[in-house]
Amino acid sequence: EADIYQTPRYLVIGTGKKITLECSQTMGHDKMYWYQQDPGMELHLIHYSYGVNSTEKGDLSSESTVSRIRTEHFPLTLESARPSHTSQYLCASSEYGAGTGEETQYFGPGTRLLVL
Amino acid sequence: AQKVTQAQTEISVVEKEDVTLDCVYETRDTTYYLFWYKQPPSGELVFLIRRNSFDEQNEISGRYSWNFQKSTSSFNFTITASQVVDSAVYFCALSEGVESSGDKLTFGTGTRLAVRP
Repeated sequence: EADIYQTPRYLVIGTGKKITLECSQTMGHDKMYWYQQDPGMELHLIHYSYGVNSTEKGDLSSESTVSRIRTEHFPLTLESARPSHTSQYLCASSEYGAGTGEETQYFGPGTRLLVL
Repeated sequence: AQKVTQAQTEISVVEKEDVTLDCVYETRDTTYYLFWYKQPPSGELVFLIRRNSFDEQNEISGRYSWNFQKSTSSFNFTITASQVVDSAVYFCALSEGVESSGDKLTFGTGTRLAVRP
């Protein structure tokens, strides 16, 4: 399993503030992902990265941005938070199974964001 | 386009009952991967199982078992003798394509399982 860390776990912030959600993994995985999960429970991919200096937008349009300067670190930034950004944000990294070439995504504990 | 349907929004059972969570998927690819994840109240997603489209063998892991049927595009999950600690939201997910062996997951809407003592 991967060790994936997300900070903060909970964040309450006012409209217009800039925020960065941190995600780190210690397993050296090349692929990392950000998902957004609204109270209705469904998860949507908003960003992914296949390695250092690689970032792509996911299926759900998001005003957030990401960067991947180091393999282990994949932070997500909102330049100006709004109430519509209130959600849970889950970070994941994926590992290839030895001998199978199949990937499994492992998730961090999530950050619950509330924008007032 | 790929799609995962979990028709059961919420299920409530009494401890020690068996419960089956349904998952139906849609894909045009012949190569695809199916997953189940558990999300306890603490919020993280816990990986339970991965299955590729060429492996239709059912799998059992302790009290958990999975029934993969390509003929009905289903990948159902059964918990035998449920326990209170099984209470969580369970997600079925799909990724498709030879080059996408596990990334770009499409999730179902989840099934919330409540196990009462």
